[in-house]
Amino acid sequence: SQTIHQWPATLVQPVGSPLSLECTVEGTSNPNLYWYRQAAGRGLQLLFYSVGIGQISSEVPQNLSASRPQDRQFILSSKKLLLSDSGFYLCAWSGQANYEQYFGPGTRLTVT
Amino acid sequence: AQKVTQAQTEISVVEKEDVTLDCVYETRDTTYYLFWYKQPPSGELVFLIRRNSFDEQNEISGRYSWNFQKSTSSFNFTITASQVVDSAVYFCAIGGNTGFQKLVFGTGTRLLVSP
Repeated sequence: SQTIHQWPATLVQPVGSPLSLECTVEGTSNPNLYWYRQAAGRGLQLLFYSVGIGQISSEVPQNLSASRPQDRQFILSSKKLLLSDSGFYLCAWSGQANYEQYFGPGTRLTVT
Repeated sequence: AQKVTQAQTEISVVEKEDVTLDCVYETRDTTYYLFWYKQPPSGELVFLIRRNSFDEQNEISGRYSWNFQKSTSSFNFTITASQVVDSAVYFCAIGGNTGFQKLVFGTGTRLLVSP
């Protein structure tokens, strides 16, 4: 069966510090991968998606970036965090033949 | 552009009551998919159901049922005999007809079930 992991689970970072969140998927190959952000009490905003290694599409212009160095690894990064980057970050995957997305446990980021 | 509206921000019920969560969508696509997800307090989104736009049959899964009506662009979710464990935020979403999905989510409905 497929499993999706995210780490860290929680993170408190000062403004201006760098960020690296990691997401890995097990039990499937060539998944579509997604990064979402959920601000407190709000819906999900798609940040990035990837259909293959090295292929990244951005949905929202911001100071975040994403990379996919391996087939089942998706990384969300920032060189300098802003207060507005605080939120709950969710990674998700979908297969090539199914349409639903499966989400990881999320990372709760607080920028202070 | 696609859009999902969940007008109910929060619903409170007492255990064993039935509750319906509303979802209204907008799309210009002739083929699309609709989804419901549950987000318990732990935060992880749990996939509940996917419905193809060509399949308007209602679906029942245990205490959960879904009513899809293209005529009103609605995909409502009913929980029968609610339980405390049903307390969560529920999201409705819409996606296109490709293996790669850019889902558009509604803002969610928080369901509080009290004993």
